[in-house]
Amino acid sequence: EVQLVESGGGLVRPGGSLRLSCTSSGLTFSPYSMNWVRQAPGKGLEWIAYISSSSGTIYYADSVKGRFTISRDNARSSLYLQINSLREEDAAVYYCAANIVVPGMVFDNWGQGTQVTVSS
Amino acid sequence: DIHLTQSPSFLSASVGDGVTITCRASQDISSYLAWYQQKPGKAPKLLIYAVSTLQSGVPSRFSGSGSGTEFTLTITSLQPEDFATYSCLQHYRYPQTFGGGTKVEIK
Repeated sequence: EVQLVESGGGLVRPGGSLRLSCTSSGLTFSPYSMNWVRQAPGKGLEWIAYISSSSGTIYYADSVKGRFTISRDNARSSLYLQINSLREEDAAVYYCAANIVVPGMVFDNWGQGTQVTVSS
Repeated sequence: DIHLTQSPSFLSASVGDGVTITCRASQDISSYLAWYQQKPGKAPKLLIYAVSTLQSGVPSRFSGSGSGTEFTLTITSLQPEDFATYSCLQHYRYPQTFGGGTKVEIK
């Protein structure tokens, strides 16, 4: 069974930084592209970043471009999100999501999420 | 970016009722539309992809239809475990975008 586990969330002051991690188990991580999706309190889901299996292709949502950096370490079966210059509107649950079984770029496996709170 | 508009944003229904949720895309997305169910404090769960293909393990009371810019999710005979928030996703191209969500509550 595929399992994705996020970590690294917490309380951060505006302008601060945080590094989120997502560790996978139950599958060979390297062939699969990965994504980060977030959900602000009481709001809908927002895709924010994509990385291909080899890290050769990376996309960001405009809302995070220039402040967030997605990366991965296939040897460690891990995905990362470096978040800089945090704003109050970045407060959300951050999920890692993968497209593993279903054809097309559909997120068919999700982690449980890690909470990021931004407050002074 | 492709914008998805879901309606209604909230609906109240009883166990056994049938409900339909609509998702409209701002441009043609062919058949690249998926539906998710999310319960409070939990990650989204994929229900349907490619408009109408049920993910493994999803009950047959869930169905999807549509093409181009208009899509629907139908739940026949709501069960207690179906009360949740439902969101559509277009996976036609990046940035992938979600609809705003439809919360289905017990009447």
